[in-house]
Amino acid sequence: DTGVSQDPRHKITKRGQNVTFRCDPISEHNRLYWYRQTLGQGPEFLTYFQNEAQLEKSRLLSDRFSAERPKGSFSTLEIQRTEQGDSAMYLCASSKGLAGEQYFGPGTRLTVT
Amino acid sequence: GQSLEQPSEVTAVEGAIVQINCTYQTSGFYGLSWYQQHDGGAPTFLSYNALDGLEETGRFSSFLSRSDSYGYLLLQELQMKDSASYFCAAESATNKLIFGTGTLLAVQP
Repeated sequence: DTGVSQDPRHKITKRGQNVTFRCDPISEHNRLYWYRQTLGQGPEFLTYFQNEAQLEKSRLLSDRFSAERPKGSFSTLEIQRTEQGDSAMYLCASSKGLAGEQYFGPGTRLTVT
Repeated sequence: GQSLEQPSEVTAVEGAIVQINCTYQTSGFYGLSWYQQHDGGAPTFLSYNALDGLEETGRFSSFLSRSDSYGYLLLQELQMKDSASYFCAAESATNKLIFGTGTLLAVQP
């Protein structure tokens, strides 16, 4: 069990550019979650998948954000036309059945200049 | 709406016992989780309560009262390495977690 991995760990991009992040969950975990965290705040739910199905997406999430989980394994989160307000840590987590017990990856820190 | 309230900061001395409270307002509540996050690190799972009562895991215990929409995390025999942020998180009826704003625990020698 190698844990949840995320790539890249850091991303610096200019406003208006598109970025894509990848998350590899713990194998055999059927649920995968994406969160955003800013300094001094708790993780903010963005979206989650059960296997390959995207079951919920936060209403706070604009149409610039999209996520996929093809084949129910790894997932990607894409942000189009990035804005400075998108600067945050993007966390991925996975769970096996119990949503309350999630295992987080190290996160991708996004800086939009 | 959905919200969770925790104290923003707690300070305690090494070897002491500290309790971090959490009150929640969520629709379709399933259970309450606790996570620890060290500065610069990712959140790590500590405990989950689906039923009322106390769950004990080593030095950490977690309590839930559904009727009071209240829970707490109890840390015993505090060590310096316990200095971190602690988040309560409510599991909704749609199986997502809503996190509180976190409690920064400072353990002093």
